[in-house]
Amino acid sequence: AQTVTQSQPEMSVQEAETVTLSCTYDTSESDYYLFWYKQPPSRQMILVIRQEAYKQQNATENRFSVNFQKAAKSFSLKISDSQLGDAAMYFCAYRSRAMGANSKLTFGKGITLSVRP
Amino acid sequence: KAGVTQTPRYLIKTRGQQVTLSCSPISGHRSVSWYQQTPGQGLQFLFEYFSETQRNKGNFPGRFSGRQFSNSRSEMNVSTLELGDSALYLCASSLVSGSSTDTQYFGPGTRLTVL
Repeated sequence: AQTVTQSQPEMSVQEAETVTLSCTYDTSESDYYLFWYKQPPSRQMILVIRQEAYKQQNATENRFSVNFQKAAKSFSLKISDSQLGDAAMYFCAYRSRAMGANSKLTFGKGITLSVRP
Repeated sequence: KAGVTQTPRYLIKTRGQQVTLSCSPISGHRSVSWYQQTPGQGLQFLFEYFSETQRNKGNFPGRFSGRQFSNSRSEMNVSTLELGDSALYLCASSLVSGSSTDTQYFGPGTRLTVL
């Protein structure tokens, strides 16, 4: 079974600065997807960024980028130029890409990010 | 295009009752997954339905069940409610199941409180 660990329950960042959220995972599979989801106080879960394990290049979406270290099973999210609207709970998630895989996501416990004006 | 909708948004029940939650996926999406979110356990996968068939089931007791209709709308049912069932129940839809390029879109959730 796969597990996802987010060891930092809370983080804080100054507006306009950069913050990195950590995530590690454990799996015996070689092919999978990793995701970061954002859940603001409104509770609507939003996909921030995704990474395919077979791709060596780190994914980037505007101010959001990841540092994917497959051998270390590490998947951190970097938020640049932090904005007040980035304040939310962030979840790291894993999805298998094995034959017959379905859409099941395995989530970490999440990290609450606050942004100081 | 309308997003994933869940009804009701809030629900209060008492122990021993049963409850049915509904999820309408984005138009054209055929896969619906359900998750339970609690402060203690975080987000846990309940089950996934694709084309009216259950594709995968999480580690939950048989009191939790679901189904999917021909229009892809899905319902989940919890019988004999327990206090520990109080949670936010999220559903997510995607075009197909397990696709490499598919993105799951989440609904706003149903907040269930069991008294």
